[in-house]
Amino acid sequence: QVQLKESGPGLMQPSETLSLTCTVSGFSLTSNGVGWVRQPLGKGLVWMGTIWAGGSTNYNSAVQSRLSISRDTSKSQVFLKMNSLQPEDTGTYYCARHGSWGLFDYWGQGVMVTVSS
Amino acid sequence: DIQMTQSPASLSASLEEIVTITCQASQDIGNWLAWYQQKPGKSPQLLIYGATSLADGVPSRFSGSRSGTQYSLKISRLQVEDIGIYYCLQAYSAPWTFGGGTKLELK
Repeated sequence: QVQLKESGPGLMQPSETLSLTCTVSGFSLTSNGVGWVRQPLGKGLVWMGTIWAGGSTNYNSAVQSRLSISRDTSKSQVFLKMNSLQPEDTGTYYCARHGSWGLFDYWGQGVMVTVSS
Repeated sequence: DIQMTQSPASLSASLEEIVTITCQASQDIGNWLAWYQQKPGKSPQLLIYGATSLADGVPSRFSGSRSGTQYSLKISRLQVEDIGIYYCLQAYSAPWTFGGGTKLELK
């Protein structure tokens, strides 16, 4: 049974660095890529970046300079780190598995992150 | 970047009505398109992949079609549990881009 679960702090201050963890089960990180998708409150979905099965990464150019995605395959975990947080980074962060056709077939429940002083 | 223009932004329909949502891609993406349903407070759920294939467990009243660079999601007989927000996603090339969403409500 494929599962993904995000974890991390709910409240951050501007200029801080966000660290989120996505713990997966039911598949191997060396078989499927995992991406991060952000959803500002009441708004649509935005792909942020992906770490592929081979370990390579792709980032959305809008956040590329601030974003890093890595993984620990032994722990089945994917990490998101984003620095220089601003209030507009507030939203729900999802991790999702890339399935066939490159799309997201399984999603985590999401973690709400608020950036506020 | 590939732009996905989704319409309408909101839609009010009656039970058993036929509902159609469209996404227009800014360039050719082949069949690299998916549709998702998101209910309040929940993560998106995959409905359609490869533009026309039904995901596991999705009711057969949902269907996807393609005409050139225009993609459509059709709900043949709207049910109460279909209420939510629908998104398309192009997975042809990075950056992966979603449509703006369609909020489907009951009339």
